[in-house]
Amino acid sequence: DAGVIQSPRHEVTEMGQEVTLRCKLISGHNSLFWYRQTMMRGLELLIYFNNNVPIDDSGMPEDRFSAKMPNASFSTLKIQPSEPRDSAVYFCASSPNRGGYTFGSGTRLTVV
Amino acid sequence: DAKTTQPTSMDCAEGRAANLPCNHSTISGNEYVYWYRQIHSQGPQYIIHGLKNNETNEMASLIITEDRKSSTLILPHATLRDTAVYYCIVRVEEGGATNKLIFGTGTLLAVQP
Repeated sequence: DAGVIQSPRHEVTEMGQEVTLRCKLISGHNSLFWYRQTMMRGLELLIYFNNNVPIDDSGMPEDRFSAKMPNASFSTLKIQPSEPRDSAVYFCASSPNRGGYTFGSGTRLTVV
Repeated sequence: DAKTTQPTSMDCAEGRAANLPCNHSTISGNEYVYWYRQIHSQGPQYIIHGLKNNETNEMASLIITEDRKSSTLILPHATLRDTAVYYCIVRVEEGGATNKLIFGTGTLLAVQP
């Protein structure tokens, strides 16, 4: 298994542009989590899905952020419009019902 | 979920055992203790978890006190590649559902040559 796959690895965009981050889950995992990491705030949980259904999105910072899980193996996190303060590393992770999460390698987003 | 307290940083000599403590004095009976680590510029990596019995795998050992209010992660022979931030997290596991994992600030373990 290739693990959790995130794309792109790096993204540099101008303020106001739309950004879409992608995540492919491990086959057989039914939960998906999006995290954001910055020096100031550490690792923050943004949203998580169970069986393709959003369970808790209380960590999503603003309406500019949205996440979807169109099927059991894929998710997107969209920021529209992006702002410089959105600059961070974004991780997704997947897990089975019980046990540890597997994280992807992250997407480093820079908004200038 | 119960909260955890970890030292901000620790040093360990290469080849020696690294013992990372974690306090979780308000842990509930159905909460598991999880350990993850994050090596610089990588995603967090699952290490081990347990409920009340000590656990061991190829990476580490987890010792949980009898009252479950604290635990220790042991890396038996630390190497330079074990330098990372180590997170101790308590989390409920319920059949058929997955509960969120909330990360604190962790312990920065620096393995010295």
